[in-house]
Amino acid sequence: GQQVMQIPQYQHVQEGEDFTTYCNSSTTLSNIQWYKQRPGGHPVFLIQLVKSGEVKKQKRLTFQFGEAKKNSSLHITATQTTDVGTYFCAGTMDTGRRALTFGSGTRLQVQP
Amino acid sequence: DAGVTQSPTHLIKTRGQQVTLRCSPKSGHDTVSWYQQALGQGPQFIFQYYEEEERQRGNFPDRFSGHQFPNYSSELNVNALLLGDSALYLCASSVRVVRETQYFGPGTRLLVL
Repeated sequence: GQQVMQIPQYQHVQEGEDFTTYCNSSTTLSNIQWYKQRPGGHPVFLIQLVKSGEVKKQKRLTFQFGEAKKNSSLHITATQTTDVGTYFCAGTMDTGRRALTFGSGTRLQVQP
Repeated sequence: DAGVTQSPTHLIKTRGQQVTLRCSPKSGHDTVSWYQQALGQGPQFIFQYYEEEERQRGNFPDRFSGHQFPNYSSELNVNALLLGDSALYLCASSVRVVRETQYFGPGTRLLVL
């Protein structure tokens, strides 16, 4: 079945440093979504990427979707303590299946 | 505009018991998906309901069943609970069009003793 892998599992940065998490799928994706989950909370939708090679920005966050639509990345510039949480990518397969397959997440810890 | 709501927030059961979890989708949404999130893991897709029918199912045993009502709300039932069923159960609602965004509820934390 479809697998979505995410690296790294955990990253600890100093406030102000940059952070990147990478997501790779074993199959071509119709779209990819990114979620943030704070400790004790639930996943909160950040963004959706649909087009091959698409790049979207949200303030300090930059999201990319690979040309082959099998990988994606999230980059945070100048991290802040409010960025703490686990970042998940989730993809839907390119066959009309709507169920999301989540990666295992990257837990970000920001040291003030 | 209320978001996705779930009840109860927490639940403790013992092995072999049965549990029912409830979800009300975001206003205007017609599709409900259920996910299981074990500690330290990403959510795993259980199944999705649309027009009161199960449309897709993940790799979960038949002990997991569901229902969707005419008002789009949904229930997740788990029979013969196992210790490994302890997890956060998340409901996500969406509009049934291609490439829709899913909005998650706060979840129900189930502990099986």
